[in-house]
Amino acid sequence: GENVEQHPSTLSVQEGDSAVIKCTYSDSASNYFPWYKQELGKRPQLIIDIRSNVGEKKDQRIAVTLNKTAKHFSLHITETQPEDSAVYFCAASIPGGYNKLIFGAGTRLAVHP
Amino acid sequence: DAGVTQSPTHLIKTRGQHVTLRCSPISGHKSVSWYQQVLGQGPQFIFQYYEKEERGRGNFPDRFSARQFPNYSSELNVNALLLGDSALYLCASSLIQGGDQPQHFGDGTRLSIL
Repeated sequence: GENVEQHPSTLSVQEGDSAVIKCTYSDSASNYFPWYKQELGKRPQLIIDIRSNVGEKKDQRIAVTLNKTAKHFSLHITETQPEDSAVYFCAASIPGGYNKLIFGAGTRLAVHP
Repeated sequence: DAGVTQSPTHLIKTRGQHVTLRCSPISGHKSVSWYQQVLGQGPQFIFQYYEKEERGRGNFPDRFSARQFPNYSSELNVNALLLGDSALYLCASSLIQGGDQPQHFGDGTRLSIL
């Protein structure tokens, strides 16, 4: 069935370190993979996305990589800052032409000064 | 530009009641999707509407229904509320329909069932 697994569930790093969050999806036909950041009590905010015809995408301190063969994609945050602390969700699109996303369970990232 | 707006922000209901949640998409966006987010979990897809028609439905009971209006705003209705319906209900809009379209979320409606 449709499933996205996300690891780790919690991640604690020191300010300035890098953070990596990994996701695995089940449907090989999925073609769009967004990442959302959700701060406590706030909306999920789209921070970066990647389509299946691209292997890597960068935006300043964040990057996403996609391995279609292994059905893995990862979020990389470099030079972490305390304001990066939040819950991060990965998601995968479901084929069929409509806007259904399957979300992972989330990773709680804590960046300590 | 205003983002996705949802109302109300909070709602308290009792079991068996009915609730209507509202969503206005980003200006120019024609697709609206609804998600349920239970505390500690990722959002779960409920419905997608595009051009006033239901285009996708998640694994939710018939107590859940929705519609989209000519101005592309949307309503989510839930009948016969159960304790398990307590959650944050999120609306997301995208420019058009398509699995690779970025979806932008509103702040959600937090529904508590007593």
